[in-house]
Amino acid sequence: QIALKESGPPLVKATQTLTLTCTFSGFSLNTGGVAVGWIRQPPGKALEWLALIYWDEDQRYNPSLRTRLTIIRDASKNRVMLTLTNMDPVDTGTYYCARMFPVGVLKGGWFDSWGLGTLVTVSS
Amino acid sequence: FLLTQPHSVSESPGNTVIISCTRSSGNIADNFVHWYQQRPGSAPTILTYDDYQRASGVPDRFSVSIDSSSNSASLFISGLKTEDEADYYCQSYDSNTVVFGGGTKLTVL
Repeated sequence: QIALKESGPPLVKATQTLTLTCTFSGFSLNTGGVAVGWIRQPPGKALEWLALIYWDEDQRYNPSLRTRLTIIRDASKNRVMLTLTNMDPVDTGTYYCARMFPVGVLKGGWFDSWGLGTLVTVSS
Repeated sequence: FLLTQPHSVSESPGNTVIISCTRSSGNIADNFVHWYQQRPGSAPTILTYDDYQRASGVPDRFSVSIDSSSNSASLFISGLKTEDEADYYCQSYDSNTVVFGGGTKLTVL
């Protein structure tokens, strides 16, 4: 059974760096055609994709947030971490991690399994 | 590119509703479109993928069309049920970027 769970601080201060961890089970990021991504959702607003990391360690980032984002994997521990620097109150929202499988030819695809999300509030 | 959806739609139980997703640049048919349902307080779940494929367990009341002339994808929900009341998002991928639509709130009244 596929499961993903996000963890991280519920509250951060403006200018700080946010680090979130996605711990997953039921699949391996060492398997070809798999990726794990992060998506966020401000309260009452739309989904916004942040980053992806693939089985071959390739990475993709939202261009509008590229300078602030880093995604890394610890495949042996079934974890993917996301850092977002220079946090601002507008970064407040629920952060989801999700599996992309199967990854398509151009490394795109859909997210077939999602975590429950973790709410992060940024105080000024 | 952007994917534009209507902010909200409403329809009565038993009827059919159509939710559009219009691509701002590039051809809608060049990259697969996927749809998600998000019920209040819950994470999104995949509804349809690779344009027309229904995810496991999704009833055939949900279907998709792709129209190159309007450069849009449309999600059709027939035989509306109160349980269909949710937010719906389209998603695609191009040029190394995942893009979500702005979401559509469906009210079944």
